[in-house]
Amino acid sequence: GAGVSQTPSNKVTEKGKYVELRCDPISGHTALYWYRQSLGQGPEFLIYFQGTGAADDSGLPNDRFFAVRPEGSVSTLKIQRTERGDSAVYLCASSSTPDRVTGELFFGEGSRLTVL
Amino acid sequence: GEDVEQSLFLSVREGDSSVINCTYTDSSSTYLYWYKQEPGAGLQLLTYIFSNMDMKQDQRLTVLLNKKDKHLSLRIADTQTGDSAIYFCAEISGGGADGLTFGKGTHLIIQP
Repeated sequence: GAGVSQTPSNKVTEKGKYVELRCDPISGHTALYWYRQSLGQGPEFLIYFQGTGAADDSGLPNDRFFAVRPEGSVSTLKIQRTERGDSAVYLCASSSTPDRVTGELFFGEGSRLTVL
Repeated sequence: GEDVEQSLFLSVREGDSSVINCTYTDSSSTYLYWYKQEPGAGLQLLTYIFSNMDMKQDQRLTVLLNKKDKHLSLRIADTQTGDSAIYFCAEISGGGADGLTFGKGTHLIIQP
């Protein structure tokens, strides 16, 4: 596709359930990022992939959050035992360069997660 | 930790210049960015500036950086209705560990 694609665009779930959010980056982009944007806040970094490996997962809030990118393209963010505080828009971004400082990030429209 | 602060709202008349301000605390910031977020759309990089520069101009956009005061501004000349969006200031330090640190965003409201 032409841009970063995220699915689902909206997800409503109940507290305690398991959720998967998918990101399809721009074709050929080796770097992939997940950010979380809570209401009224700026995006917060969660995890960064270079290829298949998680090069930096320092932003994951706790061990209920996990992300994979098995073939170096599509990534899935997995949230176990969801809590109401997990409600946010989860943003995915990709970049054509591993340079985290100068590489331009291309963001998807996000997946809005609501935990009831 | 790093902190990036912005005013939440700015209202300007169509045709006037908009100046969106940002302050940051991390003295080791290497690059500073301005992103635009329109309703229902992803974040879009507008421009960025390296910390050893004090000004960058790109068409209607002018970025000013005062590194001593840790103050960044984005000036949009001849503001149009299509400029209505949330503008995020962001910074990154060192080799990029911890990713971008974003401010809460400034809602730019255009009055006719």
